[in-house]
Amino acid sequence: AQSVAQPEDQVNVAEGNPLTVKCTYSVSGNPYLFWYVQYPNRGLQFLLKYITGDNLVKGSYGFEAEFNKSQTSFHLKKPSALVSDSALYFCAVRDYGGTALIFGKGTTLSVSS
Amino acid sequence: NAGVTQTPKFQVLKTGQSMTLQCAQDMNHNSMYWYRQDPGMGLRLIYYSASEGTTDKGEVPNGYNVSRLNKREFSLRLESAAPSQTSVYFCASGFEPSKDYSNQPQHFGDGTRLSIL
Repeated sequence: AQSVAQPEDQVNVAEGNPLTVKCTYSVSGNPYLFWYVQYPNRGLQFLLKYITGDNLVKGSYGFEAEFNKSQTSFHLKKPSALVSDSALYFCAVRDYGGTALIFGKGTTLSVSS
Repeated sequence: NAGVTQTPKFQVLKTGQSMTLQCAQDMNHNSMYWYRQDPGMGLRLIYYSASEGTTDKGEVPNGYNVSRLNKREFSLRLESAAPSQTSVYFCASGFEPSKDYSNQPQHFGDGTRLSIL
């Protein structure tokens, strides 16, 4: 069965520092991986997706994600955090031909000034 | 560019009351989904409609019914609301789930915040 784990409920970083939000996954075949961001009282916004063959994927707002097949991970990264990046981040997975997304429990990112 | 529109945005119900949550998308997507979001549990799929005329159960379908009214609209009905259904409900749309579209993201509405007393 597909599953996604986000091991950290909260990540705290200072503005200007690099940030990492962790995600590991389990699927039976090739994974289709996504990161979404949710701001207060809003829906989920798509940030980026894994593209087969690219271990480093670039997305919106300066975010990128590093795919590691051997560690079954898809960590979200940003070289320099902004206070406005503070939000709830979700990792999601779908397997090949799958119907719906399976979401992790979410990680709250807090960026302090 | 409305995307996915959900109504209402907020609602308070009493136990036992019924209600229909509405969702409409204007992106010509085939598939539509209903999720619920609860603290510390991420999003869980309630029902989905892979294409017009079809609906299927997700992870947590008990207590809910859905109707795919046409390609644009997908409604979620609570026939007899219970306090356990207090949650934030999200509608999403995307391309028809198939091997060709496995890497396509879903697009979400802003949610309906539902409280059941």
